[in-house]
Amino acid sequence: AQKVTQAQTEISVVEKEDVTLDCVYETRDTTYYLFWYKQPPSGELVFLIRRNSFDEQNEISGRYSWNFQKSTSSFNFTITASQVVDSAVYFCALSDRTDSWGKLQFGAGTQVVVTP
Amino acid sequence: DTEVTQTPKHLVMGMTNKKSLKCEQHMGHRAMYWYKQKAKKPPELMFVYSYEKLSINESVPSRFSPECPNSSLLNLHLHALQPEDSALYLCASSQDPPFGGIGSPLHFGNGTRLTVT
Repeated sequence: AQKVTQAQTEISVVEKEDVTLDCVYETRDTTYYLFWYKQPPSGELVFLIRRNSFDEQNEISGRYSWNFQKSTSSFNFTITASQVVDSAVYFCALSDRTDSWGKLQFGAGTQVVVTP
Repeated sequence: DTEVTQTPKHLVMGMTNKKSLKCEQHMGHRAMYWYKQKAKKPPELMFVYSYEKLSINESVPSRFSPECPNSSLLNLHLHALQPEDSALYLCASSQDPPFGGIGSPLHFGNGTRLTVT
């Protein structure tokens, strides 16, 4: 069963617009971790954030913010005042202890295109 | 700059060639990984090394052979590959192995873009 769903395949915005990437996850475990990674055209996956299941505080880091809601099993990511350098594929991922033994399970990814 | 270094950046090889991909990290991480990524898809796990021992092989064909000479190095030996093996190969490391739900984030290298002709 798919554990991480990123329903948005591609989002196109004009520079300075805000963009929100949705991530819905599924797990039977009570202890789990959620991640966001950025993959620019160069190929490297860049780690952005990790949240554990016991910490529902939202987080802000510069223009990036994350909204974790256990009630809806969502971990959404917002880029405020987008810039061309934000153009990349963004992956949401889950790590839990059930049948996947802690293996990182990626969503399908969302391509963000920011045009000047 | 990435702290996980992969070489080469690009590799073109024929189906009868033998080549190796290399990965190095100096963060003292205890787990290292090989992932394969096809275009417009998420990365797929191939192998996990924990404390220099192979702990997970995700049913990868034997034409891919991993090796971990020491805690900082990880190799992927390639032999008799098929054109469908063309992909981006990513190396990653984490402070702790993935087992037990510790949730250490993975740090990825830039990858090797492999083309099999």
